[in-house]
Amino acid sequence: ETGVTQTPRHLVMGMTNKKSLKCEQHLGHNAMYWYKQSAKKPLELMFVYNFKEQTENNSVPSRFSPECPNSSHLFLHLHTLQPEDSALYLCASSRLLQGEQFFGPGTRLTVL
Amino acid sequence: KNEVEQSPQNLTAQEGEFITINCSYSVGISALHWLQQHPGGGIVSLFMLSSGKKKHGRLIATINIQEKHSSLHITASHPRDSAVYICAVNTGNQFYFGTGTSLTVIP
Repeated sequence: ETGVTQTPRHLVMGMTNKKSLKCEQHLGHNAMYWYKQSAKKPLELMFVYNFKEQTENNSVPSRFSPECPNSSHLFLHLHTLQPEDSALYLCASSRLLQGEQFFGPGTRLTVL
Repeated sequence: KNEVEQSPQNLTAQEGEFITINCSYSVGISALHWLQQHPGGGIVSLFMLSSGKKKHGRLIATINIQEKHSSLHITASHPRDSAVYICAVNTGNQFYFGTGTSLTVIP
C-alpha cells in the first residue's frame, strides 16, 4: 500500500458514456498527478495539480477533464472517449511539486 | 528520439546474478527517478537522485550528471525482483520517462 488509492480498478465504457476516475491520497501531499500508460509506450504525464491549482496540462484532449476539489482528492472526468484512449490511468502524489512520487494502483480503462 | 533511453529493453537473469540497468538522458535535469512496476500495474518509487549514489537493501542507484547517465544495480537478484524498471527525469518543469526495462529473474 502506497497511501494512494484509485477507483475503480477496472472500467469498460462505450464511446458515448460519461464516467469519472477517482484518486485519493492519505499522505498529506500537496501535489497530485494523472498519468496515462499505453501498451509499449512510456508513461505520459497528463495533468499536474499543486495545492489544488492546475500547473500543467500536456496537450491533453478536452474529452479528459480533471478536477481537484482539495489536496487529497483528484478526479478525471471522461466523456466521448475513443478506443485509442484505452490504457492504464495512474494517479500519483508528492509532498512537493517534482518530489518523490507515490503511485496508486491504476485504473485499467477499456473503451469499446 | 525519446529524451530518456533505457537499456536493455528486456533482461533475463538467473537467481543470484548481479543486474545492471542503464539510463541515458539528453536534457538538463533537477532529479532522476527509478521506478518499479509489477505486473498488474502498480508503480513504486525506488530512488530519487540528483547526484552520487544511493542504496536501499540490494538496490543501488548511481548517477553521473556530466555524462547524463544513471545505472540501477540489483545484487543477489531474486524472482520477486521480476518487474519493469522505469527511469524518469525531472527538468524542473517537465517529466520525461523511459520505456522501461522488463526484468525476469529465473529461479
